[in-house]
Amino acid sequence: DTAVSQTPKYLVTQMGNDKSIKCEQNLGHDTMYWYKQDSKKFLKIMFSYNNKELIINETVPNRFSPKSPDKAHLNLHINSLELGDSAVYFCASSQDRRGSQPQHFGDGTRLSIL
Amino acid sequence: AQSVTQLGSHVSVSEGALVLLRCNYSSSVPPYLFWYVQYPNQGLQLLLKYTTGATLVKGINGFEAEFKKSETSFHLTKPSAHMSDAAEYFCAVTSGANSKLTFGKGITLSVRP
Repeated sequence: DTAVSQTPKYLVTQMGNDKSIKCEQNLGHDTMYWYKQDSKKFLKIMFSYNNKELIINETVPNRFSPKSPDKAHLNLHINSLELGDSAVYFCASSQDRRGSQPQHFGDGTRLSIL
Repeated sequence: AQSVTQLGSHVSVSEGALVLLRCNYSSSVPPYLFWYVQYPNQGLQLLLKYTTGATLVKGINGFEAEFKKSETSFHLTKPSAHMSDAAEYFCAVTSGANSKLTFGKGITLSVRP
């Protein structure tokens, strides 16, 4: 009964490939997020969706495309992977879009580009 | 714009000693403040939060933090460190109309036997 689950946990692939990471939450939250954690453990928001509507879109290369088929799912597709995309990607969800409620995080997807 | 400063990258304490992890924030509107903990190869887990009301907030695992508006600080403390507290700790702030969470760079806490 994991609250926020991401798949896969590990992803090793070559430069230039296209890959997707899936995220699902069973908390009934309306808002979902993608974060990138770099090798120095710095966390930065990439995207946020509220009820399938994009509400935060940080300065992220357009090779990254989030998709929210319903409010319980937020997937991340990455085209033409580059070495600099190697990182841990975290999905999160929260009950409200204003930020007063804490965000619940998945365990992350460790992406390694060869 | 909002930002978080966590000075230093590593804090080492002895088991049983006081833990103090510092966090200062910058926000143009009243902030919501959070402390998260990350254990190796895991996601972030909420320790505690401040939104409104009482400025001293208690969290899980014996941690607490005090919101001091005049000092723009939200330092995390625990009276007595335990070996299991060794982890990465992140302070975060959000404010405004959306829930964009801005994290500090994190502090690694080590606990010596």
